[in-house]
Amino acid sequence: DAKTTQPPSMDCAEGRAANLPCNHSTISGNEYVYWYRQIHSQGPQYIIHGLKNNETNEMASLIITEDRKSSTLILPHATLRDTAVYYCIVRGTLYNNNDMRFGAGTRLTVKP
Amino acid sequence: NAGVTQTPKFRILKIGQSMTLQCTQDMNHNYMYWYRQDPGMGLKLIYYSVGAGITDKGEVPNGYNVSRSTTEDFPLRLELAAPSQTSVYFCASRSDATPLHFGNGTRLTVT
Repeated sequence: DAKTTQPPSMDCAEGRAANLPCNHSTISGNEYVYWYRQIHSQGPQYIIHGLKNNETNEMASLIITEDRKSSTLILPHATLRDTAVYYCIVRGTLYNNNDMRFGAGTRLTVKP
Repeated sequence: NAGVTQTPKFRILKIGQSMTLQCTQDMNHNYMYWYRQDPGMGLKLIYYSVGAGITDKGEVPNGYNVSRSTTEDFPLRLELAAPSQTSVYFCASRSDATPLHFGNGTRLTVT
């Protein structure tokens, strides 16, 4: 099973910030948190990743709690093109550091 | 760089037929992965490889086989196609320093 938990769906108004949560309570000290998104039926696209510090790039910001058991992906000004399924994964599992398993993700719908 | 290339894009198989889904990457990535995605669902890991000659099972390996004879190629083999294998198949690759790069997928229907 995937080692992350995400809400199945969320809505966001266009132009507002979209905050997508992820729980990863069993994350180990050397595991990174990665976020990807999948638009329609295309291959997933990398967004951002982090270990313990907050991260920002041109697409999004990633906030990781101090205990590292949860994180939030922030799309600061959501547009209609951000409508997609967003996946939070940890790189590696308790059993193997190389397999990368996805959960069901969060389906974000940005509304006009 | 072409990135991760999957062929074919679409395929229809009859029950019991076999086929190979091709995946190649030109980024010299050590790690390669096969996922399947059923309609409305998330991605499930089938097999992965950490380098040429090394493969390992993921979450849903039954009914599939893989090989990794070169760094670039990671074909997925279906020996006896079943309707339950109707899905979209994604190949992905990464290095130690990069995130996963995905191909555009192969849409397989087994009837």
